[in-house]
Amino acid sequence: DAKTTQPNSMESNEEEPVHLPCNHSTISGTDYIHWYRQLPSQGPEYVIHGLTSNVNNRMASLAIAEDRKSSTLILHRATLRDAAVYYCILRDGPSNTGKLIFGQGTTLQVKP
Amino acid sequence: NAGVMQNPRHLVRRRGQEARLRCSPMKGHSHVYWYRQLPEEGLKFMVYLQKENIIDESGMPKERFSAEFPKEGPSILRIQQVVRGDSAAYFCASSPLSSYNSPLHFGNGTRLTVT
Repeated sequence: DAKTTQPNSMESNEEEPVHLPCNHSTISGTDYIHWYRQLPSQGPEYVIHGLTSNVNNRMASLAIAEDRKSSTLILHRATLRDAAVYYCILRDGPSNTGKLIFGQGTTLQVKP
Repeated sequence: NAGVMQNPRHLVRRRGQEARLRCSPMKGHSHVYWYRQLPEEGLKFMVYLQKENIIDESGMPKERFSAEFPKEGPSILRIQQVVRGDSAAYFCASSPLSSYNSPLHFGNGTRLTVT
């Protein structure tokens, strides 16, 4: 499975935008970029995914570099409830298992 | 629509006992994944099952661990003769499909403590 690299931790102030980076220089043409987050004492939660184009949903936006070697998860207005570990994961399109391989993720702290 | 339900939420076992962890997937989901999260570590894939079939068990320890997803009822992760190193949070996820375009829905886990 192709690997991703994320900063171990980031800090943000409440109500400000947050940009969480992810590098995936060995991404293949069929890999989708998925983001999940895990709040304390909870299971992971799906955030967003994309292939080539930027994506928006009610939770966040995903900006994908033109060469696809990096991407950025954007939380437009951080709240205290967004404090979590954020995982950037590459998921093989043709894979017949669909399993996710989690890395260490980025621990986001949100300050009031 | 109820989410993925895992029970029990907390489970305490003495060394050598058996632990049974249950996972009821979301309605209409026939794909189940089990993950383990050791204290202060990341999530590790264990096994992927469809109804009555184990599809990928590449992350399962070779001994003492088994999983099933019967035609009726929840998926079960069984750990026989538990040891202290089995203490962890065990998460189950379900999906209607196994494709890249189908997000996994996770439960809130079972926290196993082996004393």
